Amino acid sequence: AQSVTQLDSHVSVSEGTPVLLRCNYSSSYSPSLFWYVQHPNKGLQLLLKYTSAATLVKGINGFEAEFKKSETSFHLTKPSAHMSDAAEYFCVVSFNDYKLSFGAGTTVTVRA
Amino acid sequence: GAGVSQSPSNKVTEKGKDVELRCDPISGHTALYWYRQRLGQGLEFLIYFQGNSAPDKSGLPSDRFSAERTGESVSTLTIQRTQQEDSAVYLCASSLKVMQATQYFGPGTRLLVL
Repeated sequence: AQSVTQLDSHVSVSEGTPVLLRCNYSSSYSPSLFWYVQHPNKGLQLLLKYTSAATLVKGINGFEAEFKKSETSFHLTKPSAHMSDAAEYFCVVSFNDYKLSFGAGTTVTVRA
Repeated sequence: GAGVSQSPSNKVTEKGKDVELRCDPISGHTALYWYRQRLGQGLEFLIYFQGNSAPDKSGLPSDRFSAERTGESVSTLTIQRTQQEDSAVYLCASSLKVMQATQYFGPGTRLLVL
């Protein structure tokens, strides 16, 4: 079965410290992978996308993610958290090129 | 107006009533998708359109749900005889093409069935 798992439902960090959001997928082949962010009362915004080019993908707002095929992981990182990063983050996988499968989401809170 | 827009932003209805949710995709995007996000859960795929046709309706929860798209533009998701379990945020997305394309999401319609 193909699935996507976000390993943390909630992550709390201090402003200025690194952020790590973990995502694993199961698939019999290399899928397309995305991270989306959803701020309160706002729509989903694409952070970054992996489609079999470089394994390290840089996105908006200083976020980046690394695709590791051997670990079937696509973890999202940011070196220094900002208060505006408080939001819900979704790891998303496309197994058949159009239907997106969403992880359950990780809520990020940033402490001043 | 470059993004996907949805209306209404909020809808409160009584159990048993019909509701229509509207999505205006990004101009020129041939593919359009509907998703449902229940409280505390990830998004569920409902249906997608390639042009005005819907090749995959597999995610529609029941025959009370239907969707149409006209003019390769606006789409309407209709829920008949609403039930309390239909309460959710309904999200629409569009993409330039179907295969391996980035989907851009609208702000959603928050539906509450009393």
